[in-house]
This record gives sequence, structure tokens and C-alpha cells, in this order.
Amino acid sequence: EAQVTQNPRYLITVTGKKLTVTCSQNMNHEYMSWYRQDPGLGLRQIYYSMNVEVTDKGDVPEGYKVSRKEKRNFPLILESPSPNQTSLYFCASSLSLAGADTQYFGPGTRLTVL
Amino acid sequence: QKEVEQNSGPLSVPEGAIASLNCTYSDRGSQSFFWYRQYSGKSPELIMFIYSNGDKEDGRFTAQLNKASQYVSLLIRDSQPSDSATYLCAVVLSSGYALNFGKGTSLLVTP
Repeated sequence: EAQVTQNPRYLITVTGKKLTVTCSQNMNHEYMSWYRQDPGLGLRQIYYSMNVEVTDKGDVPEGYKVSRKEKRNFPLILESPSPNQTSLYFCASSLSLAGADTQYFGPGTRLTVL
Repeated sequence: QKEVEQNSGPLSVPEGAIASLNCTYSDRGSQSFFWYRQYSGKSPELIMFIYSNGDKEDGRFTAQLNKASQYVSLLIRDSQPSDSATYLCAVVLSSGYALNFGKGTSLLVTP
């Protein structure tokens, strides 16, 4: 089954404690990205990756890091989380951003930073 | 900041009516446009994509694109209560790699 998986699905943590949210896809997609979704602000792109070892900043990259060492995985790293990073995070993947290529979203990770 | 604007709603339509959702974008070089549906607490799911001016129909859904006026719309015919969700407009920026979403329009279809 084609899917994008994220772990953990829910996480409550404290300010400053480093965390990683994993994202994995089984569709051999080249393009992967991370979004955060906040009430009233919609979906905002954090980082995206066009292929292995190729990443770039989206709209809201501050406080986040990513890596793309393998095609299937695209982890999101919060080195020193702060309360303003409390949000719902989605990972997504697609063959490309061309019109015919559907972007598949993971189930989401709800993060609370105390 | 490349903007994608949507009316937040809620847009309320009776069952069986046509729902019309609109989106404008600021990046004139944008080439690909998407409509996603998102139920509360769930992931967005793709409904339509369009990249040529004009209309594109898929079942009860029609996407319309006017690049000169920089707007894209989604029509839902014969609206059903199950169509009640938030509809997100997304635009691939002229760079070809970044994707901007609007804040979404909440649609409520009343029986």
C-alpha cells in the first residue's frame, strides 16, 4: 500500500529538549516536504527536498532542520523546541510538483512544547 | 512572500446546490494549481489539479483557472453533506519546487 508514515503521531515535550519527527514513504518519490498547520494560518511549508541530499527552505524554516540521506526518509529535527513550535505537522511526498503528480500526505504529528 | 488568498468562510450551501470556492495568487509565474480537501483532524487529500487556462472537470468537481487574472476556483455541483470540509488552494511557485497553500475555505453543506 502506497503511504507516507510519520512518527510519533502525538508528542508532548518541554522547551529545549531536542526531538526528531520521522517521515518515510514507500513510493520512491523524489519530492518530500514538511508543513506545519496552525489555526488561522493554514498550511505553511517548512522545508522541502527535491532529491537525496538536496533540500531547501520553505516559508517558515526557523528553528527546524532536515536531512535527506535516503530517498524514502525525510526527518524533521527540532534542536531546541520552543512553545511557538506547538503545531500540527504534516510530511508529504510526490514524484515532483508537476500537475499530474499527486502529493501524498502523512497522517500528521501533533506536537506540544511546554 | 508569495501569497495565496482564500475567503475563510464558512460558506454554507444547501444540499444539491453548487458550491463555489475561490482563490487568488500573487506569483504571476506560477504554473501548477491544486485543490485539496481536509476534514477536521485529517490530512489534506488532493481533489483536482489544473495548469492550463480554462475549465477542468472531474465528476462533480470543476476547477477553473485564469492566469491573466491570477485566480483559480473550484465548483462543486450537487453538493452533499459529506462535502463539508475545509478546501485548500495550493500553488506551485515559479521556482517550481515550493508549494504555497491558502488558509482554506470552510464549506458547510446543510441537508
